[in-house]
Amino acid sequence: SQQGEEDPQALSIQEGENATMNCSYKTSINNLQWYRQNSGRGLVHLILIRSNEREKHSGRLRVTLDTSKKSSSLLITASRAADTASYFCATVPLGGGSQGNLIFGKGTKLSVKP
Amino acid sequence: DAGITQSPRHKVTETGTPVTLRCHQTENHRYMYWYRQDPGHGLRLIHYSYGVKDTDKGEVSDGYSVSRSKTEDFLLTLESATSSQTSVYFCAISETGPGELFFGEGSRLTVL
Repeated sequence: SQQGEEDPQALSIQEGENATMNCSYKTSINNLQWYRQNSGRGLVHLILIRSNEREKHSGRLRVTLDTSKKSSSLLITASRAADTASYFCATVPLGGGSQGNLIFGKGTKLSVKP
Repeated sequence: DAGITQSPRHKVTETGTPVTLRCHQTENHRYMYWYRQDPGHGLRLIHYSYGVKDTDKGEVSDGYSVSRSKTEDFLLTLESATSSQTSVYFCAISETGPGELFFGEGSRLTVL
């Protein structure tokens, strides 16, 4: 069953603009992760935020987590054409055991126009 | 880049034939996963392994089996392929259970 749902499904912006993607999930989590997938390639890990964290930064990426609303957002600042990709949130449900299997959403397709 | 190799990268087969996909890692990570990716469904977990000979089912395990006889290799077998198993299959590895996943480049399987 799908745990995370990204919103919007697709986003088109101009280079230099900021891109914001949202993720909502259903059950309590251990952590939430964001991944990027370029067309025809495997997924690449971007950032992990734990359930006791509210905000995290990595370069041009800013992730927030609101556990009361069961939602997260990924902000990419000053976007570049190279940021064009699909972005997925993935959650590790609380109580998932040591295996801690990730459950992925369906992704947001970001297009950054030069 | 994490050392993960999937083979074959592309395969076309016929309904009813057996298919084995291989995932090989050079990172000595304990956890290995097989996901399938389909339009409209995102990534769904098929099977995973938490050690040699230790495997368990994921969300969409019907019609699939796995084996892990060595730390570095995780095999996914479709005993009798069906058209519904046409998909892109991704292997992933992780050092810790709920941590960051490293993905392979994917294996595109077409079942005619």
